Amino acid sequence: GDSVTQMEGPVTLSEEAFLTINCTYTATGYPSLFWYVQYPGEGLQLLLKATKADDKGSNKGFEATYRKETTSFHLEKGSVQVSDSAVYFCALKLALNDYKLSFGAGTTVTVRA
Amino acid sequence: NAGVTQTPKFRILKIGQSMTLQCAQDMNHNYMYWYRQDPGMGLKLIYYSVGAGITDKGEVPNGYNVSRSTTEDFPLRLELAAPSQTSVYFCASSPPGTGYSGTSDEQYFGPGTRLTVT
Repeated sequence: GDSVTQMEGPVTLSEEAFLTINCTYTATGYPSLFWYVQYPGEGLQLLLKATKADDKGSNKGFEATYRKETTSFHLEKGSVQVSDSAVYFCALKLALNDYKLSFGAGTTVTVRA
Repeated sequence: NAGVTQTPKFRILKIGQSMTLQCAQDMNHNYMYWYRQDPGMGLKLIYYSVGAGITDKGEVPNGYNVSRSTTEDFPLRLELAAPSQTSVYFCASSPPGTGYSGTSDEQYFGPGTRLTVT
């Protein structure tokens, strides 16, 4: 079945460090891929998305590229801030079943000043 | 515009008790969803609804019931609570869009309800 595997946490970084969170997927067809973020005490919110191979999603300094050949959608940010401390979820949605999201387990990121 | 709201934020139930988790959205979204998140696991879809009066099972529906009498509200009912239902529950909604099923890519989530069954 469709599934998402993402890097286990927790991840602790210093401010201005480089962040990478790995995400790989298994899916039939050509899914859309997403990163959602959950800040403390809040619900999940969409961070970025990519809908086809080689697309790059970007938002708030975060980027992720849809790599069909490696079935990956790794999240990166060049210089993290304390305000980036959150739980990050990778997710996919199949084109023909596009009301359902399949989520990874989430990666907790803590950025220290 | 409050978005998606959920009540309560926290609840402790005894085994065998029942309760209803409330979810409401004020964005006129047609699709609504209930997920649960267990520690170290991704979100699992419990039930979803494509509009008022229409609901369907997700991946893990056993032990739960839902109803959708209005566009705004999508309550989740737990009957005979069990320890296996200890989890964080998220409600979400989607606006109309251009996808195959007529819904957009983005889901809007509430802040969650943390439920403990002992």
